[in-house]
Amino acid sequence: LAKTTQPISMDSYEGQEVNITCSHNNIATNDYITWYQQFPSQGPRFIIQGYKTKVTNEVASLFIPADRKSSTLSLPRVSLSDTAVYYCLVGDGQAAGNKLTFGGGTRVLVKP
Amino acid sequence: DTAVSQTPKYLVTQMGNDKSIKCEQNLGHDTMYWYKQDSKKFLKIMFSYNNKELIINETVPNRFSPKSPDKAHLNLHINSLELGDSAVYFCASSQDGTSGTTDTQYFGPGTRLTVL
Repeated sequence: LAKTTQPISMDSYEGQEVNITCSHNNIATNDYITWYQQFPSQGPRFIIQGYKTKVTNEVASLFIPADRKSSTLSLPRVSLSDTAVYYCLVGDGQAAGNKLTFGGGTRVLVKP
Repeated sequence: DTAVSQTPKYLVTQMGNDKSIKCEQNLGHDTMYWYKQDSKKFLKIMFSYNNKELIINETVPNRFSPKSPDKAHLNLHINSLELGDSAVYFCASSQDGTSGTTDTQYFGPGTRLTVL
């Protein structure tokens, strides 16, 4: 399983853009990159998933360079409610049961 | 309607006791999971069931026994509870989980287990 490395924490202010970069040097050909968000006392929630280039949805954008050894989650104009832990995961697409390996995550604190 | 629900939300018990946590999903998904999140917030998969069949069984003590009476339910029974079992346990489900792609997992609210 590909291991991921991401910053432990990041601080930001309301209205700013937050970019979290995740490193996954051993990503396999069939692996997808997925980001989850976890608020305190809640279960993780899917944010976005991509394989290559750029993916955008109503919540975030995901940038993946050609070598796919890293990815960057971009949260536009964050608000206080975006304070959470963000997990970068690389899914082993060949494994039955879709075994996801969660790392330590990045704790994002949005300040007023 | 709650998509993935767990009961109880909090569970405080003594060492050596046996307890169960229940999980239900109303999303019509085929695959369900149990994760353990420790005090450092690391989330580790424990088990996965697809259509009531065990497909992932990570290295966990055999005191932990999952049971899936049907594909909408996955319960976790823990025997002889130990202090180190204290953690938050999350249930999750996904549409398939066995295909070659990574499908989205939907998590429950978690059960905070405290062993005294």
